[in-house]
Amino acid sequence: DAKTTQPPSMDCAEGRAANLPCNHSTISGNEYVYWYRQIHSQGPQYIIHGLKNNETNEMASLIITEDRKSSTLILPHATLRDTAVYYCIGPGGTSYGKLTFGQGTILTVHP
Amino acid sequence: DAGVIQSPRHEVTEMGQEVTLRCKPISGHDYLFWYRQTMMRGLELLIYFNNNVPIDDSGMPEDRFSAKMPNASFSTLKIQPSEPRDSAVYFCASSPTHGYSYEQYFGPGTRLTVT
Repeated sequence: DAKTTQPPSMDCAEGRAANLPCNHSTISGNEYVYWYRQIHSQGPQYIIHGLKNNETNEMASLIITEDRKSSTLILPHATLRDTAVYYCIGPGGTSYGKLTFGQGTILTVHP
Repeated sequence: DAGVIQSPRHEVTEMGQEVTLRCKPISGHDYLFWYRQTMMRGLELLIYFNNNVPIDDSGMPEDRFSAKMPNASFSTLKIQPSEPRDSAVYFCASSPTHGYSYEQYFGPGTRLTVT
């Protein structure tokens, strides 16, 4: 089973930063943290991943704590189209090429 | 790049009928995955292939389900006979080989309704 903890839901105002937390306290030294999102009626979409350094790409930033027990996905300027379920996949969620999705966080961006 | 292509996008069938879902992965990707998503169980991995070979089918619910990958550009998931509890959205995903890459690219899904 995937051993990550995410809040079931969050709200964010359009244009503001959305900060989505994930707890993965049992993560081992060589396990990455992956983030996906699923917009309604679409397939999941890869966002970003990281090991211990902070990462940034065109979609988001990933901040990983120094002890690696938690991370935060940051959408710097959320738009209505960012409303989706966000999945954090960490310890136990990646194995031999397979992903195991948990329940994720429903992010609602409102005007 | 066209991305992962799935067909049909919607399928409605009667209980007992055979259902075949199709997937074309992204060219050059060595891994192909079949997932199923329901409200009750969330997103579940059914089976995955590496270089056209099934690697892990432990998620396949029962013998009524079968999957094949005859070549690098095509895979099918077949349900025979179908039952109402098979109603779900079925996703196909592919990923390139970079060791164990977990950057998977999902198709739009096939929404299956069995009446």
